[in-house]
Amino acid sequence: KQEVTQIPAALSVPEGENLVLNCSFTDSAIYNLQWFRQDPGKGLTSLLLIQSSQREQTSGRLNASLDKSSGRSTLYIAASQPGDSATYLCAVPSGSARQLTFGSGTQLTVLP
Amino acid sequence: EAGVVQSPRYKIIEKKQPVAFWCNPISGHNTLYWYLQNLGQGPELLIRYENEEAVDDSQLPKDRFSAERLKGVDSTLKIQPAELGDSAVYLCASSYGTSNTGELFFGEGSRLTVL
Repeated sequence: KQEVTQIPAALSVPEGENLVLNCSFTDSAIYNLQWFRQDPGKGLTSLLLIQSSQREQTSGRLNASLDKSSGRSTLYIAASQPGDSATYLCAVPSGSARQLTFGSGTQLTVLP
Repeated sequence: EAGVVQSPRYKIIEKKQPVAFWCNPISGHNTLYWYLQNLGQGPELLIRYENEEAVDDSQLPKDRFSAERLKGVDSTLKIQPAELGDSAVYLCASSYGTSNTGELFFGEGSRLTVL
C-alpha cells in the first residue's frame, strides 16, 4: 500500500526566503505526482503535476522536482511572500486502481 | 470556466439525522471523486465515478453512505444516519478522462458538523 509522508508538518519562514517542501512515497511505481495548495476552510488548488517521465516542472516562483527511484519530490518556492501561507499537499496515483494517496501536508507560514 | 461547485458549504445536524451533499464537476470532466478530509489530514477517497459508473467505492461505508451520479454529470453524496464521527469536510473533485491519472480540480468542500 502506498504511503506518502510530508515533513515537516509545519514551517515558518520570514518573507523573501527561498524554501523547500518535501514529499516522500514508498511505492516508486507512480504515474505522476501532483502538488496542491489548501487555504484554511477552502478546497485544494492544483499547483503542479509532474509526469513520471519528467524530472521537474515549473510555474512562476514554484519548481517541483521528482526522483522516482528514491521516492521523493520537492516543491521549491522562491522569494516567499505572506500570500504563500497555506498548507501544501502532495499526492500520487499508484497501484492497479491508480488510487490517489495524499500526504498530510506541510503548513507554511510566511511572516511579513 | 466554472470550477467544481459544491453545496452546501456548511451543514450542522444532530446525530442520526440524514444529510446530502451535491457536486457539479467541471464541464467535460468524465471522472468525479468524493473525498473525506479530517482536520490536519490529507483527503481520503470515498468513491470515484467514471461517467455514471462507480468504479472504486471500496472505502465508502456502505451501511450509511450512498452516492449517485445521474447522467454522468452532477453527483450527490448522502449519509443516513449521520454519526458524530462523520464530522469532517467532504470534498468533490473532477478530472478529464478516465485514466485516473489526470490533474484533479477540487471544489470548496462541504463542512459537516454532527452534534
